[in-house]
Amino acid sequence: EPEVTQTPSHQVTQMGQEVILRCVPISNHLYFYWYRQILGQKVEFLVSFYNNEISEKSEIFDDQFSVERPDGSNFTLKIRSTKLEDSAMYFCASRADRGPHYEQYFGPGTRLTVT
Amino acid sequence: GENVEQHPSTLSVQEGDSAVIKCTYSDSASNYFPWYKQELGKGPQLIIDIRSNVGEKKDQRIAVTLNKTAKHFSLHITETQPEDSAVYFCAAPLGGFSGGYNKLIFGAGTRLAVHP
Repeated sequence: EPEVTQTPSHQVTQMGQEVILRCVPISNHLYFYWYRQILGQKVEFLVSFYNNEISEKSEIFDDQFSVERPDGSNFTLKIRSTKLEDSAMYFCASRADRGPHYEQYFGPGTRLTVT
Repeated sequence: GENVEQHPSTLSVQEGDSAVIKCTYSDSASNYFPWYKQELGKGPQLIIDIRSNVGEKKDQRIAVTLNKTAKHFSLHITETQPEDSAVYFCAAPLGGFSGGYNKLIFGAGTRLAVHP
């Protein structure tokens, strides 16, 4: 069964450093998302991406964040200058189509630890 | 702002009992309601969903009911087993599917513990 994959599973970085989190969405999906989950809290929307551009972003997704689909398979989240409060699980999700296929499928996540 | 409220935050049941988790939503345009199961250290896994044109959907031991008038939807797990122990999240898309790209707003989660 196709699934969303994410790398790395755990990333430790120092405050102020840049990190790139990588995702490979399900191959025929068209809509891509990043969510984050601070330890013990709910899953929060960060950004959605369609047709090679951001379609919506939350207030969390400030100018330190960016997303990119550099090729036909990868979808990346970059944090330019990490802060302690960026420590969280980051989940990538993808969805097939805007039509009746509503389901969003999540990857296993990347645990980001900023020290 | 738009919100999804989920109750209870923790639920402890004996194996074989039923478990019910309830959610309410505020956006009346929401028309799709998924439930996710999250096991420790893993991503949310879609387990069942319901669309606004039906009131109930069942898949083996799990079922979801929807009351659009009251803006409630619930997850029902029957004959619970220890492997059902996890955190369960309800969610709803902001704005429905007539516009926007359907970001999901999640509830706060319910930690279900099934004791043998």
